[in-house]
Amino acid sequence: SQQGEEDPQALSIQEGENATMNCSYKTSINNLQWYRQNSGRGLVHLILIRSNEREKHSGRLRVTLDTSKKSSSLLITASRAADTASYFCATDAKNNDMRFGAGTRLTVKP
Amino acid sequence: GAVVSQHPSRVICKSGTSVKIECRSLDFQATTMFWYRQFPKQSLMLMATSNEGSKATYEQGVEKDKFLINHASLTLSTLTVTSAHPEDSSFYICSARLPNTDTQYFGPGTRLTVL
Repeated sequence: SQQGEEDPQALSIQEGENATMNCSYKTSINNLQWYRQNSGRGLVHLILIRSNEREKHSGRLRVTLDTSKKSSSLLITASRAADTASYFCATDAKNNDMRFGAGTRLTVKP
Repeated sequence: GAVVSQHPSRVICKSGTSVKIECRSLDFQATTMFWYRQFPKQSLMLMATSNEGSKATYEQGVEKDKFLINHASLTLSTLTVTSAHPEDSSFYICSARLPNTDTQYFGPGTRLTVL
């Protein structure tokens, strides 16, 4: 069963624009992770944010976490065509089980 | 949405035994399934890509003879951990890709503990 729920399910933007994806979850977590998946390939880990952190940066990625609202956002700035992929959030729950959302399909048009 | 199941959800076994984990797509046929493992407090790591009717593609560093993957039907892939040791204790999760799409659905995972 899925815990994280991403929205939007699909997002289409022009190169150079920013892309924002959101994730909501239901239970208490140790951390939340964002992954990307290129078409037909496995997941690639992007960034992990711990439950006591509110914001984290990695290159063009910015992740926020609001534990009171049980939500997270992933911002990709200055998007590129190569950022086209599916993005998943995953919650690492207190019982150490990981749950994934269904993902956001991002298309960046050149 | 589509459902992917895993069985068992938790398993405890003795060192040296083999454990089989099943991954099923319940309401769609999946030509491609993925197997991942996660060590405590670490991110998920891809182990292998399982294609129905052909040999699995293993990621670098994953022992093929240790982690046997069989994808004999469009709705079932199995991962067998052979001669399990305590260091194989981990959380194993599978995912199944909806054919002709980039959408994939994840199973609930299997917690393996090797004593």
